[in-house]
Amino acid sequence: NAGVTQTPKFRVLKTGQSMTLLCAQDMNHEYMYWYRQDPGMGLRLIHYSVGEGTTAKGEVPDGYNVSRLKKQNFLLGLESAAPSQTSVYFCASSSSLGGSPEAFFGQGTRLTVV
Amino acid sequence: EDQVTQSPEALRLQEGESSSLNCSYTVSGLRGLFWYRQDPGKGPEFLFTLYSAGEEKEKERLKATLTKKESFLHITAPKPEDSATYLCAVQDSSNTGKLIFGQGTTLQVKP
Repeated sequence: NAGVTQTPKFRVLKTGQSMTLLCAQDMNHEYMYWYRQDPGMGLRLIHYSVGEGTTAKGEVPDGYNVSRLKKQNFLLGLESAAPSQTSVYFCASSSSLGGSPEAFFGQGTRLTVV
Repeated sequence: EDQVTQSPEALRLQEGESSSLNCSYTVSGLRGLFWYRQDPGKGPEFLFTLYSAGEEKEKERLKATLTKKESFLHITAPKPEDSATYLCAVQDSSNTGKLIFGQGTTLQVKP
């Protein structure tokens, strides 16, 4: 049981390049999220999904796009990377059932944009 | 606007020296308050969920409590392995599972 797996773990991009971060979960969770973590800012929600084929904006969505074509996968895309997107990105998933609302997190992707 | 504030930002304790971390929150309809532990270079790890004022939960040397405005994470007789960043988050009643996080408290326990 792997839980939440993020790919890649590290990446360096040049300004203007694009990339996709992949998140996969094997817990059959309906809800999935992308957060970014910056020093002194805590975790901030970028985009989220409440089910296959659905996505919604979070607190800091600008410069990012997402897709949830399969229930187990949630992709985060950067179309034209900027230095302000240097951060650690975390994917999480949680159940829509009332008994276990806690979110489970991946190990993170450390992205540097130069 | 939903908001979570944690204090202090950093805390240094000697092994065995008990203390508390604070999490103040404002949320439109609290569905749950969550505590997570995060080790350097790792993702947050779930510790507790609290649902209503007066509720308490314990796990080893940690005890979390909840009032209508804040939550405390009490650490009793900490050990060096308790050193980590502790994150507090709230979930509103929107049925989306979204979490609003505080900035975290970084705890260092010295032997």
